[in-house]
Amino acid sequence: EAGVAQSPRYKIIEKRQSVAFWCNPISGHATLYWYQQILGQGPKLLIQFQNNGVVDDSQLPKDRFSAERLKGVDSTLKIQPAKLEDSAVYLCASSLGRTRQVYSGNTIYFGEGSWLTVV
Amino acid sequence: QKEVEQNSGPLSVPEGAIASLNCTYSDRGSQSFFWYRQYSGKSPELIMFIYSNGDKEDGRFTAQLNKASQYVSLLIRDSQPSDSATYLCAVRGNYGQNFVFGPGTRLSVLP
Repeated sequence: EAGVAQSPRYKIIEKRQSVAFWCNPISGHATLYWYQQILGQGPKLLIQFQNNGVVDDSQLPKDRFSAERLKGVDSTLKIQPAKLEDSAVYLCASSLGRTRQVYSGNTIYFGEGSWLTVV
Repeated sequence: QKEVEQNSGPLSVPEGAIASLNCTYSDRGSQSFFWYRQYSGKSPELIMFIYSNGDKEDGRFTAQLNKASQYVSLLIRDSQPSDSATYLCAVRGNYGQNFVFGPGTRLSVLP
């Protein structure tokens, strides 16, 4: 079974430039997450999709970050304009969704991450 | 805002010893609890999850959950240098609620 795919793996941009990250979740996974992980910290949720609807984007800096999942499958996260403090790993993850929640734990599976350096 | 706390470490144990990693959480409605391992420069990978009070064992790993105390732990028996990594505790609420991660505990197993 193919895992969560992300691209690009690495990106270096100057502040005030824009960048976009792409994610393709595990086949059949209805829930897709974007996390931001700054070096030395745990992952912080930016946005959670259930199919193509947003479940939680309370921690997404909406003045500069945007995300979409138009057809309920792959997703794009965009940052415009980037700031120095956006330097982090952007992790995409997916899980089955609302069914079979408790007994399976509804585990989330992570992609390899997209490493962003803003200079 | 739900919070998940862990000691940042580093926690150093000698090879062959038991490593004990602890996690507390603030939301009493939390239902599922996860331990992820993250090697430097890699993405988190699931070790195990637990949702009932008590112990759950998987090989050298044992997760322990005490909902009354809002506490979950991970024991690693016969620690190996390859276990050296950051261990992330994650907590999930009811249907549709997101995973909240702790800051992670860095474990170092000394040969």
